[in-house]
Amino acid sequence: SYELTQPPSVSVSPGQTARITCSGDALPKKYAYWYQQKSGQAPVLVIYEDSERPSGIPERFSGSSSGTMATLTISGAQVEDEADYYCYSTDSSGNHWVFGGGTKLTVL
Amino acid sequence: EVQLVQSGAEVKKPGESLKISCKGSGYSFTTYWIGWVRQMPGKGLEWMGIIYPGDSDTRYSPSFQGQVTISADKSISTAYLHWSSLKASDTAMYYCARHTIAAAGGGFDIWGQGTMVTVSS
Repeated sequence: SYELTQPPSVSVSPGQTARITCSGDALPKKYAYWYQQKSGQAPVLVIYEDSERPSGIPERFSGSSSGTMATLTISGAQVEDEADYYCYSTDSSGNHWVFGGGTKLTVL
Repeated sequence: EVQLVQSGAEVKKPGESLKISCKGSGYSFTTYWIGWVRQMPGKGLEWMGIIYPGDSDTRYSPSFQGQVTISADKSISTAYLHWSSLKASDTAMYYCARHTIAAAGGGFDIWGQGTMVTVSS
C-alpha cells in the first residue's frame, strides 16, 4: 500500500523557519495537501495543491514540491503554530488517498 | 457559510451497530465528495473512504473495506458512516470532511467537528 513519510518531530525557536518534509513515490505527479491539527481540534487545511494557501491562512505558511518530496515551510514560526502537521496525497492510480504519519512541531 | 456538522458522541458495547452522520450546508452537497477519517486516541489521521453524493460512487481504503459502510442521502445533504458490529478497537474520533478530486489528486478542504465513538463493555 502507498505511504507518505514524514519526520516524527521538528523543533524550532520562535521566529525561526520550520520545514516539514513529506516523501512519496507518486508526489512527482500528484498534489500534496497539508493539514494543521492543534490539540483537541479538528484538522485545518493550510496548503493545497502543493503550494496554494487557503484564505485566512497566514502568509508565513508556504508549500513546495520537487520530485518525490513535498515541503511545508513556516517562515518566522510563532508559538501558536505548535501543532501536528499532516501531509496528504493519493497514489498513482488516484483511487486511494493516504495521510503521512504526522509531524509534531514544537516552537519554543 | 460552508460547514459540516456531525452527530454527537456515542458510547456503545462491542457487537452493537452504529451509524454516525455528517450534514453539509452552504454549498451544493451533490457536487463534492465527502470523506471519513479516523483518529485513534493519541494517533495520526487515517483515510477511511469517500463518497460522491451525486451518484453514491464510493471508494474505500483497503484497511477499512468490509469493516464499515459509507453512504449518503442527498435529499437531506447528509453522509453516514455505519458499523454493523462494533469492536473495542473502533474507539476513536471520526471526522467527515469535504473532498475535491482533480486529475492530479485532491484533498479535504472543510472538516466537521468530529464524532467521538467509545466502544466498551
